[in-house]
Amino acid sequence: ELKVEQNPLFLSMQEGKNYTIYCNYSTTSDRLYWYRQDPGKSLESLFVLLSNGAVKQEGRLMASLDTKARLSTLHITAAVHDLSATYFCAVDSRNSNYQLIWGAGTKLIIKP
Amino acid sequence: DTGVSQDPRHKITKRGQNVTFRCDPISEHNRLYWYRQTLGQGPEFLTYFQNEAQLEKSRLLSDRFSAERPKGSFSTLEIQRTEQGDSAMYLCASSLGSKQFFGPGTRLTVL
Repeated sequence: ELKVEQNPLFLSMQEGKNYTIYCNYSTTSDRLYWYRQDPGKSLESLFVLLSNGAVKQEGRLMASLDTKARLSTLHITAAVHDLSATYFCAVDSRNSNYQLIWGAGTKLIIKP
Repeated sequence: DTGVSQDPRHKITKRGQNVTFRCDPISEHNRLYWYRQTLGQGPEFLTYFQNEAQLEKSRLLSDRFSAERPKGSFSTLEIQRTEQGDSAMYLCASSLGSKQFFGPGTRLTVL
């Protein structure tokens, strides 16, 4: 059974600092997704990583995928308050584009 | 607005009642997904449609749950004889390729 683990589950940090959220998964998959969720809102797609070594960047966020290590990272550079949200990673369990297995989420609070 | 829409946004019901939720995907998307999310957890996959065909159903989905997508456009999720454990946010998503686009969700509270 595929398991997806994120850590940390909760992170409080100061504006301007850098930090990394980790997503480990338990079986082979070449497809990993990062989503953002604001309180009471739905999920917003951030990154789709489709191959080993894939790296994508958008603003202060950068995501990478190492399929051999079964690890993805979401790196935050010089955090700003607007990035406060819960971040989820999800893995395509069958490389078939439909059955995503999700981590529990990392709740990120960025203090001014 | 051409995003995924869900109706209703909130539903409060008494235990034992039936409820039905609707999802309207992005119009050109042929894939539609239902998920359930409880507080503090990631979404759990429930079921998946490609056009009108239901191709996958999670083992988590009991016989009280049924989903349809009759013309390959909108979808409905029905829960019969609701239980308190069914209280959750029900999310619908649609896609054409790899990226799934999510609707705002329907929050179900079973009293």
